Amino acid sequence: EVQLVESGGGLVQPGGSLRLSCAASGFIFSRYWMSWVRQAPGKGLEWVANIKEDGSEKHYIDSVKGRLTIFRDNAKNSLFLQMNNLRDEDTAVYFCALDQLWFDSWGQGTLVTVSS
Amino acid sequence: DIVVTQSPDSLAVSLGERATINCKSSQSILYSSNNKNYLAWYQQKPGQPPKLLIYWASTRESGVPDRFSGSGSGRDFTLTISSLQAEDAAIYYCQQYYTTPLYSFGQGTKLEIK
Repeated sequence: EVQLVESGGGLVQPGGSLRLSCAASGFIFSRYWMSWVRQAPGKGLEWVANIKEDGSEKHYIDSVKGRLTIFRDNAKNSLFLQMNNLRDEDTAVYFCALDQLWFDSWGQGTLVTVSS
Repeated sequence: DIVVTQSPDSLAVSLGERATINCKSSQSILYSSNNKNYLAWYQQKPGQPPKLLIYWASTRESGVPDRFSGSGSGRDFTLTISSLQAEDAAIYYCQQYYTTPLYSFGQGTKLEIK
């Protein structure tokens, strides 16, 4: 059974940094693209970033380029999102998801709150 | 960028009745080389992550009840719930993956039981 468990969320001031983690199990992690998808409170879903199986290719939505960095450690079956220079509008629940063009497995999410 | 717009924003349907949710993309998401529409549908209940229902516009994910069906092609798509059950109350999202590896979601449609 596929399991994705996010951690690392919390309260951070504008301009601050946070690193999210996603621990994967139940599938061969190194064979799949992975994505981060976020959901602001009471709002819809927004795809944020994804990364190729071997980490050689990464893509982002324009609003996070240069501030958020996706990376992975296949030896530890883990996905990460380094979040720098955070803004109020980055406040959201961040989900990691198995990316097969569609997202057939999701974690429960971790809440990031950017506020002074 | 492809913009995906859902309609209506919300609807209320009686138990046992049919519910229909629409999704329209700003350009065709039918890939001519394989004749596949690059669209998925999700269901999200409060406090839960989204659940995949349908991909390739009409292929039901394993374990999804057959009262859920997807249709459409090109720019216009529909999610139909043939006989609404109480547990179907949720927010439904469509997602285009034509611009892979970049993606976008519709704004969501809230389905309530009348």
